[in-house]
Amino acid sequence: QVQLQESGPGLVRPSETLSLTCTVSGSSISSDYYWGWMRQSPGKGLEWIGSIYHSGHTYANPSLKSRVTISLDTSKNQFSLRLTSVTATDAAIYYCARDASGAPADYWGQGTLVTVSS
Amino acid sequence: QAGLTQPPSLSKDLRQTATLTCTGNNNDVGSLGAAWLQQHQGHPPKVLMYRNNSRPSGISERFSASRSRNTASLTITGLQPEDEADYYCSAWDRSLNAWVFGGGTKLTVL
Repeated sequence: QVQLQESGPGLVRPSETLSLTCTVSGSSISSDYYWGWMRQSPGKGLEWIGSIYHSGHTYANPSLKSRVTISLDTSKNQFSLRLTSVTATDAAIYYCARDASGAPADYWGQGTLVTVSS
Repeated sequence: QAGLTQPPSLSKDLRQTATLTCTGNNNDVGSLGAAWLQQHQGHPPKVLMYRNNSRPSGISERFSASRSRNTASLTITGLQPEDEADYYCSAWDRSLNAWVFGGGTKLTVL
């Protein structure tokens, strides 16, 4: 069974960088899937952030692309998200997930709440 | 960013049939169809239907999906109390090269 678990700070100060890591078990991130991030906030609903392939190829939501970096650590079977220059609108539950070709994701982490506040 | 349009709420009686709709455009729903996700309070979303209208393993046959041009529909027959949840549609937008979502429909089973 594929399982994903997000980890990282739950509080980020405005203008700083949000960093989250997703640890995957039950599947290798070097397998033939993209691995991605999504977020959900009361004001903006569900939003796809971006995804990465084991080759390192990434693609990201155009609305966030300039601030987003997604990377892999195959030795730890983890992938990570960095979102720079955060503002209050970046406060959300962040989910890591395994991409499915027919849906944004077929396996999801439980989500981690990130608050943006000074 | 462009998004998909879903009615915010729908109420149906137990054992009845609910049809949820999702409207997009030629670049998203009209291009490759829409996936459907179910989310119960406090849990991550779960895929109910892939955009080719197939169900993942373990999803009840009471769930079915269809598409007519730029509008996708999810039909749930024989409504059960556990069907009360938020339902989201999602499609790949080929102009944005991004997944887009609807705002979700909150289904209440009376």
